[in-house]
Amino acid sequence: QSALTQPASVSGSPGQSITISCTGTSRDVWTYNLVSWYQQHPGNAPELIIYEDNKRPSGISSRFSGSKSGNTASLTISGLLAEDEADYFCCSYAGTWVFGGGTRLTVL
Amino acid sequence: QVQLMESGGGVVQPGRSLRLSCTTSGFTFSSYAMHWVRQPPGKGLEWVAFTSFDGSSKLYADSVTGRFTISRDNSKNTLYLQMNSLRGEDAALYYCAREKYNAYGDWGQGTLVTVSS
Repeated sequence: QSALTQPASVSGSPGQSITISCTGTSRDVWTYNLVSWYQQHPGNAPELIIYEDNKRPSGISSRFSGSKSGNTASLTISGLLAEDEADYFCCSYAGTWVFGGGTRLTVL
Repeated sequence: QVQLMESGGGVVQPGRSLRLSCTTSGFTFSSYAMHWVRQPPGKGLEWVAFTSFDGSSKLYADSVTGRFTISRDNSKNTLYLQMNSLRGEDAALYYCAREKYNAYGDWGQGTLVTVSS
């Protein structure tokens, strides 16, 4: 199972919005409504921020939103805060599970 | 509150074995599927293994099939990963994760496995 494709890095200024893409195939992202997103700060375990393509767990800010079109899922963070600076990983079910390579978000 | 705590990591020579444990509390362990996910230092996440809530169904990443075995003891609220024939590319921080919302809803802090001669 090949890894999902994410940009290595994205950046934005406080208050702006950014979008991180996650491209898969017809065997994973396209077929299943089971894309999840994780935020990981340095030295910490990942934290679930989006599940089932576009749902937020309780306690996760509404500034985080997920969407999907065809083979590509996206995570949008609006109103960027300094604390959003972290690594972000997508994951899709595909019979087994496959992660993206991760995207480093820098808040300028 | 939900807690997952991994243990059993360490330095091991190539070809040797190691067993990881994940002790849990704060939820009904026997009701949840569980996973192992690993992260080589400075790199991304890789799913390793899955077990259903009752242990009747197990899945493995191609990279570990035939070498790693996931198991669970619901009476002890504990998840295990038996790792045999370890290779350099198995070196990573190993996380256990509870499946919630069809995703990895809760994570432990990880246990580090180093493979070195």
